Amino acid sequence: AQTVTQSQPEMSVQEAETVTLSCTYDTSESDYYLFWYKQPPSRQMILVIRQEAYKQQNATENRFSVNFQKAAKSFSLKISDSQLGDAAMYFCAPPQGGSEKLVFGKGTKLTVNP
Amino acid sequence: EAGVAQSPRYKIIEKRQSVAFWCNPISGHATLYWYQQILGQGPKLLIQFQNNGVVDDSQLPKDRFSAERLKGVDSTLKIQPAKLEDSAVYLCASSFYRVGETQYFGPGTRLLVL
Repeated sequence: AQTVTQSQPEMSVQEAETVTLSCTYDTSESDYYLFWYKQPPSRQMILVIRQEAYKQQNATENRFSVNFQKAAKSFSLKISDSQLGDAAMYFCAPPQGGSEKLVFGKGTKLTVNP
Repeated sequence: EAGVAQSPRYKIIEKRQSVAFWCNPISGHATLYWYQQILGQGPKLLIQFQNNGVVDDSQLPKDRFSAERLKGVDSTLKIQPAKLEDSAVYLCASSFYRVGETQYFGPGTRLLVL
């Protein structure tokens, strides 16, 4: 069965600082996509960043970047220059097998302190 | 571009009653997902539609849950009869039908079963 582990139930960061959220997963696929989603208290799930496993280069979206270690099956999210609006639950979502379906981790609650 | 629409946003019912949720996906998205998100957990896939056909309903409690997607657009998820453990947020998401495509989520329906 597909497993996703987000080992940090809660994290906190000072505004303007950098924080890294961890995620490990299990898959037997070689080509796949991974996602980080953000869910603010309003509960609308929003895509943060998407990584294609066959690409060597780590994905970056403005202040958000990933450290993708394919062999280690690790997919961490780095948030630079943290802002108050970054406070949310963050979910790692690798694929379920080779399909378009996703498996979500339990999430990491990020608090940003002013 | 309009996002995924869901209604109602909130629903309170008593156990053994029935309830229905509605979802309208992003125009052009062939794939539609229903997720159940229990408080403190990540979303769990209940059912996936490709156009108006079911792709995966392996985690749908079929004795009480049903879903349909008539004409390959709108979808309805029904619970009958509801149990206390059905209290959760029900999320609808849609995407193009291709591995690696981003899923776009609606605001969700928060259900409380008393």
